[in-house]
Amino acid sequence: QKEVEQDPGPLSVPEGAIVSLNCTYSNSAFQYFMWYRQYSRKGPELLMYTYSSGNKEDGRFTAQVDKSSKYISLFIRDSQPSDSATYLCAMSSGGYQKVTFGTGTKLQVIP
Amino acid sequence: NAGVTQTPKFRVLKTGQSMTLLCAQDMNHEYMYWYRQDPGMGLRLIHYSVGEGTTAKGEVPDGYNVSRLKKQNFLLGLESAAPSQTSVYFCASSYPSGRAARDEQFFGPGTRLTVL
Repeated sequence: QKEVEQDPGPLSVPEGAIVSLNCTYSNSAFQYFMWYRQYSRKGPELLMYTYSSGNKEDGRFTAQVDKSSKYISLFIRDSQPSDSATYLCAMSSGGYQKVTFGTGTKLQVIP
Repeated sequence: NAGVTQTPKFRVLKTGQSMTLLCAQDMNHEYMYWYRQDPGMGLRLIHYSVGEGTTAKGEVPDGYNVSRLKKQNFLLGLESAAPSQTSVYFCASSYPSGRAARDEQFFGPGTRLTVL
């Protein structure tokens, strides 16, 4: 079993839709949770990070962590064609920097 | 600032050939990493470095070697390339602040390597 599981998609939605991206994990030591966005043929860029359980909002993006269920989500409101990318969840237990990435979910927002 | 740059952007090798991928960062970051990204496998850590002159193995180090002679550079070597090493290679760097989530990893644009 992989430490981090992420539905690869692809996920195709119309412009303006609410998008929900999810990851599950098995390592109880994970404390830091991140979402990276990767455009085609580019390197990943950090989109959001959270520590511990709860919600964090940044503009149209909301990151949610449920440590009791070992489940994290990224919600995108009013999705735009420019949101079309692959979204990678990532998590860490802290310390020396080892980050475990999910396989990524490819999102396409149709105008 | 250029951020993280990688050289070359593309390369085709024959089985058994060797090559070196160069990563450079101008952000004075202490930590640097080499990942490979394959369909369905996500990003996997090959080797990493926590400072000049230090290197350590990651999740999939076999067949690769690295060197960090200068703080700003991190080299990834393939001594005898194999078709299984066909992948997209990403370099990343970060500056540790004591809290992993705040230690954003900055990625380069990637090197697409094909081994025939």
